[in-house]
Amino acid sequence: DTAVSQTPKYLVTQMGNDKSIKCEQNLGHDTMYWYKQDSKKFLKIMFSYNNKELIINETVPNRFSPKSPDKAHLNLHINSLELGDSAVYFCASSRSAGSYYEQYFGPGTRLTVT
Amino acid sequence: AQSVAQPEDQVNVAEGNPLTVKCTYSVSGNPYLFWYVQYPNRGLQFLLKYITGDNLVKGSYGFEAEFNKSQTSFHLKKPSALVSDSALYFCAVRDDLDGGYNKLIFGAGTRLAVHP
Repeated sequence: DTAVSQTPKYLVTQMGNDKSIKCEQNLGHDTMYWYKQDSKKFLKIMFSYNNKELIINETVPNRFSPKSPDKAHLNLHINSLELGDSAVYFCASSRSAGSYYEQYFGPGTRLTVT
Repeated sequence: AQSVAQPEDQVNVAEGNPLTVKCTYSVSGNPYLFWYVQYPNRGLQFLLKYITGDNLVKGSYGFEAEFNKSQTSFHLKKPSALVSDSALYFCAVRDDLDGGYNKLIFGAGTRLAVHP
């Protein structure tokens, strides 16, 4: 059973398009995250939701909009895709944000914008 | 501001030899420190963490890490490396003064290559 799953695994699209990435966790966690890993493998947090409430919103273009319909799901919608959006996007989850629990990562979605 | 430094882009070690992957950190409050491993085309896997208590922390796959407050370091170690340990290793830190948001700051990663 996959703990944190993401769909799709690969996404190839053209500049200007709008796309979504979905994430689901079956660990019973109440906090979920989106990270971006660039071509040099540098990993940076983008957003975090705790009990469906946005609690971390880093300096990310407003073309990126996360949505959490419930505690087990966190989706990422990207409008007007640009070449610089090409990266691997990881979803993660953890127990309560107000603590020190480790985060569990999904397998990643490799986004390629052409 | 929080930061993590992994000074080595790559560490090469022969199978059977001990390995060390270095990490230093900077936080305002007390650090919560983590090590993760990433295999090719995979997500990050949690290895171990230091929150408080014993400075030597043991984790998955025979890895351990030593917290050194005076040197602000949290180096990852293993007594005997395996070829299967070859992967990308990330150190991460959370500041306990971050408002409780569990915001992890990751280092740039260190590629470990274990040669037969």
